[in-house]
This record gives sequence, C-alpha cells and structure tokens, in this order.
Amino acid sequence: SQTIHQWPATLVQPVGSPLSLECTVEGTSNPNLYWYRQAAGRGLQLLFYSVGIGQISSEVPQNLSASRPQDRQFILSSKKLLLSDSGFYLCAWSRSGQAVAQYFGPGTRLTVT
Amino acid sequence: GENVEQHPSTLSVQEGDSAVIKCTYSDSASNYFPWYKQELGKRPQLIIDIRSNVGEKKDQRIAVTLNKTAKHFSLHITETQPEDSAVYFCAANAGGTSYGKLTFGQGTILTVHP
Repeated sequence: SQTIHQWPATLVQPVGSPLSLECTVEGTSNPNLYWYRQAAGRGLQLLFYSVGIGQISSEVPQNLSASRPQDRQFILSSKKLLLSDSGFYLCAWSRSGQAVAQYFGPGTRLTVT
Repeated sequence: GENVEQHPSTLSVQEGDSAVIKCTYSDSASNYFPWYKQELGKRPQLIIDIRSNVGEKKDQRIAVTLNKTAKHFSLHITETQPEDSAVYFCAANAGGTSYGKLTFGQGTILTVHP
C-alpha cells in the first residue's frame, strides 16, 4: 500500500529565515505530487504540482519554491519567510491521470514569528 | 478556471438526523468529484468520490449525488453520529488538464450534537 510522509510535523521560524519542508511517498512509482497551504483551518490553496522529476508548475506567485529531486520526493522551500507564510502545509499524491483521487500527508504546521 | 462553491459554511444537526452539503462547479469539462473529511489538526481524508458517468454513489451512511446538467453535486450523511463532526470539503477536477488538479470548496463545518 502507499504511504506519504511529511516532516517536520511542526515548525516555528522567525521572519526572514529559510524554509525547507520535505514530502516522500512510498509504494508507488511516478506519482503526481502536490503542495497545498491551508490557512485558519479552512480552504486548500494549491501552491505547486509536479508530474515528474524536475517538472514543477506553480499555481500562485509567492516567495516559495518547490523541487522534485527524486521520483517520490517533493520539497517546498523559501529563502526568506514572511509572516503571511504561516499555515498548515499539506503534501498530496495521486496516480497519473485526470480523474484521480489525491491522498494527503499528515501536514506541517508552520508558524512564522 | 474551475470555481467550486460550497454551502452551507456551517451545519449543526442532532445525532441521528441527516446532513446534506451542496457544491456547484463551473467547468463543464469536470468529470471527477471527491469529498474529503478533515478533523481538527489532521489531514483531509477522502471519504467518497464520484465520476461523471454515474449519478449517485453510496457507501454505508454516506452518499454522493451528481447533476451534470445543473453542475452541482451533494454529500448526504444519514444517521449522523458525533464522530461525523468535522470539516467537509468538496472538490472538482479540471477536465481540460492532463493531471489531476482539484479545485476545493471552502468547506463546511459539521457539528453533530449528542
């Protein structure tokens, strides 16, 4: 069966500091991968998606970036965090295709102080 | 792009009652409609989904109906229990894309009172 991991689970960072969140998927090959942000416990905003190694598409302009160095690894980064970057960051995976379910990781709760 | 509207934003019911959450979508090419349940502090979990080639799907106490002509779909929960209390999200895919992009509704906070 497939498993998705995220770390860290919680993170408190000062404004202006860098960020690196990691997501890995087990039990599947060539998944589509997604990064979402959820603010205030409501609404899921798609930030990035990837259909393959090195292939990243951005949905929302911001000071975040994403990378996919390996087939089942997805990384979310920032060079300088803003207060508005606080939120619950969720990674998700799906099989390739159009009408497919997405499965979410446990999430990282980021607080920027 | 796709726009998904979800109603109501909050819903309060007594244990044993039924609960209905409705969503409308804008992209007529959408053909996949999942529902997620998110408990406080946890990840969203897929509870049921429907594809556009069927009008209704049931799984024990939950069901989803789809009206393609009107572009709306609904989640029905019967015999609600306190553990059904959570935030529920509907979503619709972008039919014109080559990957499974989902657009989510804003969520419904369901509270089931014992």
